[in-house]
Amino acid sequence: KAGVTQTPRYLIKTRGQQVTLSCSPISGHRSVSWYQQTPGQGLQFLFEYFSETQRNKGNFPGRFSGRQFSNSRSEMNVSTLELGDSALYLCASSSLARADTEAFFGQGTRLTVV
Amino acid sequence: GENVEQHPSTLSVQEGDSAVIKCTYSDSASNYFPWYKQELGKGPQLIIDIRSNVGEKKDQRIAVTLNKTAKHFSLHITETQPEDSAVYFCAASMGVGGNEKLTFGTGTRLTIIP
Repeated sequence: KAGVTQTPRYLIKTRGQQVTLSCSPISGHRSVSWYQQTPGQGLQFLFEYFSETQRNKGNFPGRFSGRQFSNSRSEMNVSTLELGDSALYLCASSSLARADTEAFFGQGTRLTVV
Repeated sequence: GENVEQHPSTLSVQEGDSAVIKCTYSDSASNYFPWYKQELGKGPQLIIDIRSNVGEKKDQRIAVTLNKTAKHFSLHITETQPEDSAVYFCAASMGVGGNEKLTFGTGTRLTIIP
């Protein structure tokens, strides 16, 4: 069974631009969560989607948005990039829409804003 | 919302010795406490979890203990090996209702000295 796939693996963008990251969950998983990982801050929850609906949202500005498609693939978008958005963005999929279910993480997309 | 604190941020132990990582949480309603291991260039992977109706759980060299009264839980790794070198994250959540998302600690970088 293929794992969680995130594309691209690396991105370099200029301040003010926008970026779209993609996540393909494990086959059969309908829950997809996104996290931002920065040194010293750990993993900060961005949002979770289940069956194309956003179930939970973290404390990030409106520049961060996401969506989920009918095949459970998910994208997150960051508009008007700031230097502080440089981070590893991780996607995780779960079989159930419950926070006490194992989350399977992808390798992440490393975003650098210059 | 839930807040999870993790200590220490870095830990070095001799190969064969034991390592202990501690976490505290703030929301008494949390009832699921997983531990994730992140190796270099990879996403976090679940290594063990514990639910609030259990005080201790073991899996070979890894064990987790939970003290609900004090709101803290710990990861114990015995007979450490070089492949245990990684960053470890604790997390807390409620399965259904309330904090329906994983809140992570800031991570512990564990280095095993050969």
